[in-house]
Amino acid sequence: GAVVSQHPSWVICKSGTSVKIECRSLDFQATTMFWYRQFPKQSLMLMATSNEGSKATYEQGVEKDKFLINHASLTLSTLTVTSAHPEDSSFYICSAIGQGRFNQPQHFGDGTRLSIL
Amino acid sequence: GENVEQHPSTLSVQEGDSAVIKCTYSDSASNYFPWYKQELGKGPQLIIDIRSNVGEKKDQRIAVTLNKTAKHFSLHITETQPEDSAVYFCAASMDSWGKLQFGAGTQVVVTP
Repeated sequence: GAVVSQHPSWVICKSGTSVKIECRSLDFQATTMFWYRQFPKQSLMLMATSNEGSKATYEQGVEKDKFLINHASLTLSTLTVTSAHPEDSSFYICSAIGQGRFNQPQHFGDGTRLSIL
Repeated sequence: GENVEQHPSTLSVQEGDSAVIKCTYSDSASNYFPWYKQELGKGPQLIIDIRSNVGEKKDQRIAVTLNKTAKHFSLHITETQPEDSAVYFCAASMDSWGKLQFGAGTQVVVTP
């Protein structure tokens, strides 16, 4: 079945560092990718929608200058958390939808746990 | 926008018993209702979904029902097993390729 891979699965870094998370669709071309954030024992909150070759659409309250999203190819989207602070520590999850996407469900990656010290 | 409420927040069942999780949604334009299972430290995994033109769908021990008039849908797991223990999320969207609005999640614990 369709597989979405995220890398890294876990990252720990110092406050002020920028961190890049990759989301890849392994066996299909993803025209749209979504980025979610999940705090402990909470639900998934959509951060942004990313379409290949165009600028991402951010949800209300999400700082686009802090969470940079690039969807340069049909198999790769990246989320960069710039100048990360402890409050950015969270579980970041991407999902992807393939070409010919009508009636196809979203496929989720296994998430990236980000810990900012 | 869409608002999805999910109950209960936790559910403990004995192995072999049934588990039912209920969700309500607010936007009558929503037409797609997936259910996800999330194990600790992993991303959500789609277990079943239903579209608004269908009232019920079943896949082995899992079934989903939808009442579009009342704007609620439910997940039914029969003959529960310890490996069913996880957090389950319902979601709603206008279509399967659109933005998903998730419920708050239900922690299911199946005790042997």
